[in-house]
Amino acid sequence: EAQVTQNPRYLITVTGKKLTVTCSQNMNHEYMSWYRQDPGLGLRQIYYSMNVEVTDKGDVPEGYKVSRKEKRNFPLILESPSPNQTSLYFCASERPGQGINEQFFGPGTRLTVL
Amino acid sequence: TQLLEQSPQFLSIQEGENLTVYCNSSSVFSSLQWYRQEPGEGPVLLVTVVTGGEVKKLKRLTFQFGDARKDSSLHITAAQPGDTGLYLCAGLLYSGYALNFGKGTSLLVTP
Repeated sequence: EAQVTQNPRYLITVTGKKLTVTCSQNMNHEYMSWYRQDPGLGLRQIYYSMNVEVTDKGDVPEGYKVSRKEKRNFPLILESPSPNQTSLYFCASERPGQGINEQFFGPGTRLTVL
Repeated sequence: TQLLEQSPQFLSIQEGENLTVYCNSSSVFSSLQWYRQEPGEGPVLLVTVVTGGEVKKLKRLTFQFGDARKDSSLHITAAQPGDTGLYLCAGLLYSGYALNFGKGTSLLVTP
């Protein structure tokens, strides 16, 4: 089954404790991205990757890092989480097509930083 | 800056009613997508529209892309409880690569 998986699905942590949210896709997509979703603000892109070893900042990259060492994986790293990073996070991979490309979203990771 | 404004923000209707959700912008988009997101899940693509004035139908859902490529609408006929969810529009600017999402319309359809 074609899918994007994220782990963990839920995480409660404390300020300053480094964490990584993993993302993996089995569709051989080149483009992957991370979003955060907050009430009243909608989905905002954090980082994206056009291909292996190619990453770039989205709209809200502060406080986050990513890496893309292999095509299928795109982890999101919070080196020193803060309470304002409490949010619902989505990883997505993109299937190229005519015009706009279809984004496949993972199930989400709900992060709470105390 | 929110490029895409969706209205209404919330909508609660009874089963069988019709509804229209709007997605508006002052910017011109090369194409636009609609997603539906159910609680606890990620958004799922419903449709992509790429031509100004284009109308696409997906069963009881009708999507329209404005002639000027600045707006779009989603019309649901005879809504069902299974239509409940958050409807998101997302557009791609000619000058960019990343999707710009609206804040969404939260729809509740009660039996």
